[in-house]
Amino acid sequence: EAQVTQNPRYLITVTGKKLTVTCSQNMNHEYMSWYRQDPGLGLRQIYYSMNVEVTDKGDVPEGYKVSRKEKRNFPLILESPSPNQTSLYFCASSLTSNNEQFFGPGTRLTVL
Amino acid sequence: AQTVTQSQPEMSVQEAETVTLSCTYDTSESDYYLFWYKQPPSRQMILVIRQEAYKQQNATENRFSVNFQKAAKSFSLKISDSQLGDAAMYFCAYSTRGNKLVFGAGTILRVKS
Repeated sequence: EAQVTQNPRYLITVTGKKLTVTCSQNMNHEYMSWYRQDPGLGLRQIYYSMNVEVTDKGDVPEGYKVSRKEKRNFPLILESPSPNQTSLYFCASSLTSNNEQFFGPGTRLTVL
Repeated sequence: AQTVTQSQPEMSVQEAETVTLSCTYDTSESDYYLFWYKQPPSRQMILVIRQEAYKQQNATENRFSVNFQKAAKSFSLKISDSQLGDAAMYFCAYSTRGNKLVFGAGTILRVKS
């Protein structure tokens, strides 16, 4: 089944404790992206990747890191999480940025 | 910077009626793509419809159609014969030439039986 998986689905952590949210797709897509969803703000793009080893900043990259060492995986890293990073996070993949985005199920992150 | 504006935070429609959700965007590009995504209470994001800016013909997908006005930078979504399953948050999105995706703040659609 074609899908995008994210783990964990829910995470409660404390300020400053490094964490990684994994994202994997099995559709051989070149384009992958991370978004955060906050009430009243919609989805905002954090980082995107057009292919292996090619990443670029979205609109809200501060406090986040990504890597794309393999085509299927695109982890999101929070080196020192802060409470303002409490949000719902989505990973997505597509053939290109102009094609349908296939979204993962979301990760609800709470930073205390 | 490109922006996408959805001016209606909430809309309501009676079952079987028609509703239109508004979306405007700001860009200096001439070639781009526009999308409507649906997010039901399950939080899963689902593509509703996609429009290429170079195509003058409005996209349609069954009960869903768009009114794309390129000069006005407007991209509204019309849902005909509304069903209870259409109740969701709807997001308008724009794909830039620089491979970024910009989403609007969303419109909550409620369907009354």
